[in-house]
Amino acid sequence: QKEVEQNSGPLSVPEGAIASLNCTYSDRVSQSFFWYRQYSGKSPELIMSIYSNGDKEDGRFTAQLNKASQYVSLLIRDSQPSDSATYLCAVKKGYSTLTFGKGTMLLVSP
Amino acid sequence: KAGVTQTPRYLIKTRGQQVTLSCSPISGHRSVSWYQQTPGQGLQFLFEYFSETQRNKGNFPGRFSGRQFSNSRSEMNVSTLELGDSALYLCASSVIRTGGNSGELFFGEGSRLTVL
Repeated sequence: QKEVEQNSGPLSVPEGAIASLNCTYSDRVSQSFFWYRQYSGKSPELIMSIYSNGDKEDGRFTAQLNKASQYVSLLIRDSQPSDSATYLCAVKKGYSTLTFGKGTMLLVSP
Repeated sequence: KAGVTQTPRYLIKTRGQQVTLSCSPISGHRSVSWYQQTPGQGLQFLFEYFSETQRNKGNFPGRFSGRQFSNSRSEMNVSTLELGDSALYLCASSVIRTGGNSGELFFGEGSRLTVL
């Protein structure tokens, strides 16, 4: 079982819709969770971090964490074509560094 | 504030050669991590350094090595290059918090290595 799993996509949504990106992780002791966005040909950039169960909102982005079910999700409201990118879920436990999923490609059509 | 700087940006090598990549972290960031990114495998962790010491290591052969200098700048080296080493090598810096790096990584633009 892979440590961090994401559906590779592409996830296609129309402009203005809500995009829902999901991630599951295998290690129950994972403590910190992150979403990175990577545009084609660019390096990843951090968009959200979440550490506690529940929702965390930042502008159009909402991260959701459920430790009991071992999943993290990212909701993007009012999706824009500029949101088209690959979204990487990353997990951290203790002193270890980040483990990344392979990413979900999001395509937002005008 | 300057971002993470990686050099060189592109390089072409032949099998059996070695390569050294350099990374200058954001000022004040003491942790430097290296990742290999390929289309098939995604982002794979190579190693992390802070305070000039390797703190974590990924599952890569000994041909991959790194080091960190007192000014937090880091280098990684790949010896005896193989075709499969062709990839984008990303460096990321972070502040240190209890338990290691914060997880909030700032990535450089990467060094794209092609092995022929």
